[in-house]
Amino acid sequence: QVQLVQSGAEVKKPGASVKVSCKASGYTFIGSYIHWVRQAPGQGLEWMGWINPNSGGTNAAQRFQGRVTMTRDTSISTAYMDLKRLRSDDTAVYYCARDGGEVVPYPDYWGQGTLVTVSS
Amino acid sequence: SYELTQPPSVSVSPGQTARITCSGDALPKKYAYWYQQKPGQAPVLVIYEDSKRPSGIPARFSGSSSGTMATLAISGAQVEDEADYSCYSTDSSGNHRGVFGGGTRLTVL
Repeated sequence: QVQLVQSGAEVKKPGASVKVSCKASGYTFIGSYIHWVRQAPGQGLEWMGWINPNSGGTNAAQRFQGRVTMTRDTSISTAYMDLKRLRSDDTAVYYCARDGGEVVPYPDYWGQGTLVTVSS
Repeated sequence: SYELTQPPSVSVSPGQTARITCSGDALPKKYAYWYQQKPGQAPVLVIYEDSKRPSGIPARFSGSSSGTMATLAISGAQVEDEADYSCYSTDSSGNHRGVFGGGTRLTVL
């Protein structure tokens, strides 16, 4: 069965960077995009972007461009999301999700989430 | 930037039909997707491409879209359906950039 297992919780200081990993199994990793979505405490879901594991091409939401880097290591079926220059309002649960679309990308099956806390 | 608008909350009694709306200017040309999220859990896809149900999702969940509004309906809502529901779509730029609605808290009591 499809599984996305994310790395553990992180605590970072403002201005630092965080890198969250997402290990995929149960399907062909290079066959589906990986989306990144975050959710601040008590807030709604926010789409951050996706990566094409086959080509490495990425597509990030405008508000994260220049601050987020999405990469992958196909040899271990793992995607990464690196967010730089962290601020307190970056405190959130970060999810990876496998893409389900054949024509238009959309998040299908989700990882368990990674809590990132930004605090001085 | 593109936005999808949902009501913050909807309440129904058990057995009634719950309807949650999602409005966006690009919805006449873009599909809507719906996710259910219970406290402390990851979201689960319940409707894709406006009206299709993934395997394992009960038939009481249905979706429709007309003009600039997409609707998630839960017929015969059950207490276990109490959750947050979020719509998702892409903007009209052709870049396939995604956006979520603000989410709707469904209360069944």
